Amino acid sequence: DAKTTQPNSMESNEEEPVHLPCNHSTISGTDYIHWYRQLPSQGPEYVIHGLTSNVNNRMASLAIAEDRKSSTLILHRATLRDAAVYYCILRDSVRAAGNKLTFGGGTRVLVKP
Amino acid sequence: GAGVSQSPSNKVTEKGKDVELRCDPISGHTALYWYRQSLGQGLEFLIYFQGNSAPDKSGLPSDRFSAERTGGSVSTLTIQRTQQEDSAVYLCASSLGFSGNTEAFFGQGTRLTVV
Repeated sequence: DAKTTQPNSMESNEEEPVHLPCNHSTISGTDYIHWYRQLPSQGPEYVIHGLTSNVNNRMASLAIAEDRKSSTLILHRATLRDAAVYYCILRDSVRAAGNKLTFGGGTRVLVKP
Repeated sequence: GAGVSQSPSNKVTEKGKDVELRCDPISGHTALYWYRQSLGQGLEFLIYFQGNSAPDKSGLPSDRFSAERTGGSVSTLTIQRTQQEDSAVYLCASSLGFSGNTEAFFGQGTRLTVV
C-alpha cells in the first residue's frame, strides 16, 4: 500500500486557518486521497477526499499538488471542536487489497483559545 | 438508523470467555470494515467484507478472532477465549461501494475490557 507521511502534531489558535500537510510520494494514478479525523473518545469521521483537483466542502478544503505527491488539508477557521487527530489516507480504486483504509499515526491538532 | 450502529457500546468480560460484537452498517452499504484501537494507539485493520464475503482476513490477530456477515448487512466479530491484550475499542465502518471514490462511515465503537 502506498504510504503517507504527516507531522505528529500541530498547534493553532482559535479562528485562524490550519494547514495540515501530507506527503504521499509513492501515490499511484488510481489512489484517491482521503482525510478523516478522530475526536477524543469517538470513531473516525470523514472529512474530504479527492483525486487530482482541489476540493471544497463545508468542513474543509483539500489542496492537491500538481504531481499529486503531496496534499494539504485546510481548515479555514479553527474552532475548539476541531481539536482531533487528522489522518491522511490513500484509497485505491483498482486493487482489491486497496479497498481498506490503512491508518497511520495522523496529526494531532491542538486548538488554543 | 442514519449511521453505523455498534453494540454493545461497552463490554467487560473475564479472561477466557467468548465475546460477540455487533455492527449494523448504513443501509445499502456493501462494504464493511472492522478495526481495533488500543489505548493511545492508532487504528489497526482487522477484516473487511464485500457483501457477505471477506476477501481480506490478513488483519485478524489470531485464530481466536473470526467475523461473519449475513444478508449483506449485520456483521458480528467474535473473539474466543479472550485475553487481556484483546482489550481495545473495536470500530466498524461501512461504505457504499468498493471504489476509492467512496467515503467510509464509522460507528462509535465497542469498548472491550478483559479482566
